[in-house]
Amino acid sequence: DAGVIQSPRHEVTEMGQEVTLRCKLISGHNSLFWYRQTMMRGLELLIYFNNNVPIDDSGMPEDRFSAKMPNASFSTLKIQPSEPRDSAVYFCASSFRDEKLFFGSGTQLSVL
Amino acid sequence: AQTVTQSQPEMSVQEAETVTLSCTYDTSESDYYLFWYKQPPSRQMILVIRQEAYKQQNATENRFSVNFQKAAKSFSLKISDSQLGDAAMYFCAYRSGLVGSNFGNEKLTFGTGTRLTIIP
Repeated sequence: DAGVIQSPRHEVTEMGQEVTLRCKLISGHNSLFWYRQTMMRGLELLIYFNNNVPIDDSGMPEDRFSAKMPNASFSTLKIQPSEPRDSAVYFCASSFRDEKLFFGSGTQLSVL
Repeated sequence: AQTVTQSQPEMSVQEAETVTLSCTYDTSESDYYLFWYKQPPSRQMILVIRQEAYKQQNATENRFSVNFQKAAKSFSLKISDSQLGDAAMYFCAYRSGLVGSNFGNEKLTFGTGTRLTIIP
């Protein structure tokens, strides 16, 4: 298996634009997590899904952020409109029950 | 809510020496898991070691071992024979043991990290 796959690896956009980050889970995994990493706040959980159902979205900063799992193997995190303070590394991770968490390589987002 | 504290923002060690990274956590649960993750400059999050709270024996993975003190809620990572490739950010993380249901406990809570520098 290729592991958790995130795209794009880097994204540079202008304030106000829509940004979509993508994640492909490892086959057979049923939990999906979106984390954001910044120097100031470290690693923060934004949202996570279990069996395609959002379980905890309390970390989603505001309504500009939305996440979906259209199927069991794929997820998107959308920011609309984007703001400079959204600049961060966004990680996707997946797991199966109590097995270990596998992380993708992250998307470095820069909002100018 | 559970919290994880890493009180050492930065540490350095001479190559081939031993270094210990500290981590404390706060929880009211009795069943949980603790992890150390490594993040090298490549940005990839790599699992170093995992400890189940119900196990008294400290986990070991080659040069990496932990000192798990459940009563003190302490979970330190010891790296023996440090190598240049060990240079990275190290994150301590906590996860509830109540998994396998939709209790919402599968998530990991991370500490703020310790940046480890290896001196040649």
